[in-house]
Amino acid sequence: RKEVEQDPGPFNVPEGATVAFNCTYSNSASQSFFWYRQDCRKEPKLLMSVYSSGNEDGRFTAQLNRASQYISLLIRDSKLSDSATYLCVVKNFNKFYFGSGTKLNVKP
Amino acid sequence: DAGITQSPRHKVTETGTPVTLRCHQTENHRYMYWYRQDPGHGLRLIHYSYGVKDTDKGEVSDGYSVSRSKTEDFLLTLESATSSQTSVYFCAISANQGVEQFFGPGTRLTVL
Repeated sequence: RKEVEQDPGPFNVPEGATVAFNCTYSNSASQSFFWYRQDCRKEPKLLMSVYSSGNEDGRFTAQLNRASQYISLLIRDSKLSDSATYLCVVKNFNKFYFGSGTKLNVKP
Repeated sequence: DAGITQSPRHKVTETGTPVTLRCHQTENHRYMYWYRQDPGHGLRLIHYSYGVKDTDKGEVSDGYSVSRSKTEDFLLTLESATSSQTSVYFCAISANQGVEQFFGPGTRLTVL
């Protein structure tokens, strides 16, 4: 079983839409959680860390549910520039485990 | 952007040849990581380092070795390249455990 699982998508949404991604993880002892964004043929870049109480950064909201072992990312008022692949990342001890990513296409 | 460079950025080589990829950082971060990224698999950890001369295996370490003789450099060696090692290789750094990683621009390796 994979450490981290994500729906690969693609999610095709119009500009201005709200879209949500979920990610599940298998190790209940996981300590830290992140969302990264990766543009085509580029390196992943940190979008936001995910805290137990949930956190928001502008149009982006991340939630963690330890009991059900999932992480979510909500994007409000989608922009064309949000088109990318979103990677869910979970840290266990010294190692980071990446989901395969969810592809988002925002259309005009 | 974090100061991480990778070299070479692109390489084509033949099966059976040794290949060394270099990751260089200017952030003085303690932790360095090598990943490979393949379609359908996401990023998978090959090896990581938690200090000079301190390294450990990741989930896909077979066929790869690493060395870290200086804080700023982390080398990944494919001792005898195979076609299954054709991939995009990313180096990452982090200051401490539990904090975010920053990635280099990647190396596209093709093994013919």
